[in-house]
Amino acid sequence: DAKTTQPTSMDCAEGRAANLPCNHSTISGNEYVYWYRQIHSQGPQYIIHGLKNNETNEMASLIITEDRKSSTLILPHATLRDTAVYYCIVRAPEAGTASKLTFGTGTRLQVTL
Amino acid sequence: DAGVTQSPTHLIKTRGQQVTLRCSPKSGHDTVSWYQQALGQGPQFIFQYYEEEERQRGNFPDRFSGHQFPNYSSELNVNALLLGDSALYLCASSLYRGPGNTIYFGEGSWLTVV
Repeated sequence: DAKTTQPTSMDCAEGRAANLPCNHSTISGNEYVYWYRQIHSQGPQYIIHGLKNNETNEMASLIITEDRKSSTLILPHATLRDTAVYYCIVRAPEAGTASKLTFGTGTRLQVTL
Repeated sequence: DAGVTQSPTHLIKTRGQQVTLRCSPKSGHDTVSWYQQALGQGPQFIFQYYEEEERQRGNFPDRFSGHQFPNYSSELNVNALLLGDSALYLCASSLYRGPGNTIYFGEGSWLTVV
């Protein structure tokens, strides 16, 4: 699976949009970009994933560049409860490798008043 | 629809002992994987089970073993516990086949080895 690079930490004011970048310049054509977050002492929570097109769900939006070498997770209106470590993961979809996720160090997002 | 459930949530063991952790996958999922997360680090893949067989394994010693039952639930066993085995153990479930299938995690089992 391709390696990802994320900033170590970011701050965001409550109510503002949080934009979390991720570089994955070695991504292969069939690899998906997944985002998870982990609130202190809890299991990782799935947020969103995409292949080529931008994606949106009730939690966040995922913007993937046309060359797929980078992406941005957008939390449109951050709240204090969004304070967590956010992991960007690139993963191949084939059967047999589907369950393996390779976590990096992630971005520690601190949402402040 | 129950998500991934793990038990116990916390436990303390003595060095040299053995521990068994349990996991029930999300309804409809047939694949279970286990991760170890040491304090301050990201989760590390231990192994994956599908059709009651170990399909993939990460860089963990043979002291770590597992089992999957016909109802897809799973156990993680760790023998001869070391102090360094103290960690959060996470169970994750998914479907074995299907493009872009999503992996869901449980809340984990905190193991402390003293």
